[in-house]
This record gives sequence, structure tokens and C-alpha cells, in this order.
Amino acid sequence: DTEVTQTPKHLVMGMTNKKSLKCEQHMGHRAMYWYKQKAKKPPELMFVYSYEKLSINESVPSRFSPECPNSSLLNLHLHALQPEDSALYLCASSQDGVSGNTIYFGEGSWLTVV
Amino acid sequence: KQEVTQIPAALSVPEGENLVLNCSFTDSAIYNLQWFRQDPGKGLTSLLLIQSSQREQTSGRLNASLDKSSGRSTLYIAASQPGDSATYLCAVDGATNKLIFGTGTLLAVQP
Repeated sequence: DTEVTQTPKHLVMGMTNKKSLKCEQHMGHRAMYWYKQKAKKPPELMFVYSYEKLSINESVPSRFSPECPNSSLLNLHLHALQPEDSALYLCASSQDGVSGNTIYFGEGSWLTVV
Repeated sequence: KQEVTQIPAALSVPEGENLVLNCSFTDSAIYNLQWFRQDPGKGLTSLLLIQSSQREQTSGRLNASLDKSSGRSTLYIAASQPGDSATYLCAVDGATNKLIFGTGTLLAVQP
């Protein structure tokens, strides 16, 4: 089972709302990632969690707050977003945080900020 | 800073044709290179991963090659089908466990 599940698939939120994106994997992977993808652009890394600890933060604004409650779950808390934050948010996982492993992506959550 | 480029940006071929997608990267110090497929509005599906010590990987009609010294990888698709229509992305994994993606090739296979 090589599946990363993301919910919700679509989210529309106002600039004053607080919402969360959720990601789950049951492959026993110990590294999980958030990527952001704008239309017709390649994905860009936001955060990496390795063994439930934040290992990489690509200078992402604090209105995006990641959380890794356990090795299977990864959340992205959203607050006071801007319209330019509208994008496809992709979660991914790999066996561990060491380079060289296949990275598996979820279907993504489409976020629209109005 | 690693930069990854894919050529062509878009490609349209008739069904049954063999085709090659190109990926080039500027820093040869990579752990691996991964090819992905992305259907419109969907997530990424991993196709092939080539470790830095390998020269090629094959899966079904797909064959990916890697020439690390020249900073190039190719994805060969044999006997293309309309179902192969998608955006193909290559990504390199350096020592920092961060995937750097290429700009993508949008492939259309005409029936």
C-alpha cells in the first residue's frame, strides 16, 4: 500500500479563517513533507518532518504552521492567509529523512483563499 | 544552487510513437533522481527512481537513464498511448533530502 491520503481535497477559506489540512500515511514512513504548487509551476518544498521532528523549514511565513502528532499524521494549520497563498498543497512521505529514498505524494489539497 | 531544467516544455505525438523527455541539472552532487507523472489537478505519481550509482532504471514501457557527470537524465517512453498524456516532472535529491523539481514537460499523445 503506497498511499498518502490528504483531506480535504478542496478548501475555500477567507483571509480571517483558521483551517487545517491533514495528511495520513500507513506505510511506516518516518519522513513527511509539505509542498506547495502554484498553477503550471513545479512543487516547492515547505517543510520536512523526520521522526516527528521538524527538520527543514524553507522560510515559510508563520501563517502556515505544521504539526506532526505522530509518525502517521501530518497537519498544516492555516491562519490569516492571503489570496496569493491559493495553490495545491501536496503532502509526501518517504521511508526516513535520509536522502535516496523514493518519495510518495498524496493527491493534494486545493486551497482557495478569498 | 541546484537548477533543474526540462526540455521540451510541451510535446505532442501520435499514439504508438516512442519518445524521449530530457532533464538537466547544474550540480552533479546528487543522491538520486526521480521521475514523476502528474495528471491535471492531481498529485504526483512516482515513476522511476535512479540512485546516483546507477545508470538506468526500467519499468514496463518506461526507461530512465542518468549521466551524473554531464548532469543529464532522459525518460524514454515506448509505444506511447493516450493514457500517457500528463505532465512529467524530474526531481533531484541532493544531500539535504530536498527534492528540487524541474519545470516539467506537458505530454499529449494523440489517438
